[in-house]
Amino acid sequence: DAGVIQSPRHEVTEMGQEVTLRCKPISGHNSLFWYRQTMMRGLELLIYFNNNVPIDDSGMPEDRFSAKMPNASFSTLKIQPSEPRDSAVYFCASSLVGGGDYGYTFGSGTRLTVV
Amino acid sequence: AQSVAQPEDQVNVAEGNPLTVKCTYSVSGNPYLFWYVQYPNRGLQFLLKYITGDNLVKGSYGFEAEFNKSQTSFHLKKPSALVSDSALYFCASTGGGNKLTFGTGTQLKVEL
Repeated sequence: DAGVIQSPRHEVTEMGQEVTLRCKPISGHNSLFWYRQTMMRGLELLIYFNNNVPIDDSGMPEDRFSAKMPNASFSTLKIQPSEPRDSAVYFCASSLVGGGDYGYTFGSGTRLTVV
Repeated sequence: AQSVAQPEDQVNVAEGNPLTVKCTYSVSGNPYLFWYVQYPNRGLQFLLKYITGDNLVKGSYGFEAEFNKSQTSFHLKKPSALVSDSALYFCASTGGGNKLTFGTGTQLKVEL
């Protein structure tokens, strides 16, 4: 298995632009999580899905952020409009509901820089 | 509500010495506890977990962790540290549900 695949690995964009981050979970996993990591705030859970349905989006910072999971093999996290304070590393992770044997499997992350 | 605390931002240890990275938890119900490691510019990698059973859990790369219910702790240990163990370590927990709560991370630095 190729693991959790995130794209792009790096994204540099100008303030005000729309940014879309993509994630392909491990085949067979039915939970998907989006995290944001910064030096100041550490790892923050933004939203998670079970069986493609959003379960908890309480971590989404504001309406500029939205996430979708149209099918079991694909999810997006969109920021519109982007702001410099959104600069962070965004991780996607997947698991079996209940955590599975290995908890979560994380992707390599997308490093977002908003200038 | 559930939470995990990692009281040390950084731990320094000499190669060959034992290492301990501390974690305490607060979970309603039976805790599911995990340790993850993050190397620079990489995602988090699973090290080990405690769900139930033996309090001493063995994981990847020679790491182990001891679950202590009375002290609500789940410290990560390794008998002999390697320079290559230098990384950021995260403790995490669930209360049996699907949502992992992570600690703030502890930077481990192993020096020659």
